[in-house]
Amino acid sequence: KQEVTQIPAALSVPEGENLVLNCSFTDSAIYNLQWFRQDPGKGLTSLLLIQSSQREQTSGRLNASLDKSSGRSTLYIAASQPGDSATYLCAVLGRDDKIIFGKGTRLHILP
Amino acid sequence: GAGVSQTPSNKVTEKGKYVELRCDPISGHTALYWYRQSLGQGPEFLIYFQGTGAADDSGLPNDRFFAVRPEGSVSTLKIQRTERGDSAVYLCATRRDSNTDTQYFGPGTRLTVL
Repeated sequence: KQEVTQIPAALSVPEGENLVLNCSFTDSAIYNLQWFRQDPGKGLTSLLLIQSSQREQTSGRLNASLDKSSGRSTLYIAASQPGDSATYLCAVLGRDDKIIFGKGTRLHILP
Repeated sequence: GAGVSQTPSNKVTEKGKYVELRCDPISGHTALYWYRQSLGQGPEFLIYFQGTGAADDSGLPNDRFFAVRPEGSVSTLKIQRTERGDSAVYLCATRRDSNTDTQYFGPGTRLTVL
C-alpha cells in the first residue's frame, strides 16, 4: 500500500530565504508525482507535475525534483515571499491509477 | 467554464439525512476522482472512475457512500444516513485520459453534519 509522507509538517521562514519541502513515498511504481498548493478554505492548485521518467521540473521560483528509486521528491522555493504562505501537498499517481496524498507542509513566510 | 466545478460549495445537513454532491469535470476528461479532506489532513482517496465505470471504489468508507457517473461526464457522490464524522471537504479531480496528464481539482464541497 502506497504511503506518502511530508516533512516538515509546518515551517516558518523569514521572507527572502530559500527553502526545501520534502516528500517521500513507499512504492516507487508510480506514473507521476505532483505538487499542489492549498490556501486556507480553498481548493488545490497544481504547481508542478513530474513524470516518472523525469528528474525535475521548474516553474518560476519553484523547482521540484524526483528520485524515484529512493522514493523521494523535493520542492525548492527560491527567494520566498509572504504570498507563498500556504499548505503544500505532494501526491503520487500509482500504477493502480490511484492518487495518494501526503498530509502536507504548512508554510508560513514571515514578512 | 474551463475548470472542474462542484456544487454546492457548502452543504449543512442534519445527522441521518441524505445528501448528494455533484462534480462537473472538464470537458473530455475521462478519469474522475473523489476525495475527502478533513481539517489538517491531506485529501483521502474515495473512488476513481474511468469513463462511466468505477475502476476503484476501495476508498469508500462504508456502504452509506455511493457514487455514479452514468454518462461518463458529471458524477454524483451520494451519502446516506449522514453522520457527524462525515463532515469534511469533498474534492473532485479529473484528468484527460492518459496517466501522464495533470490532475485538475475542483474547489470542493464543504459538508457539515450537525
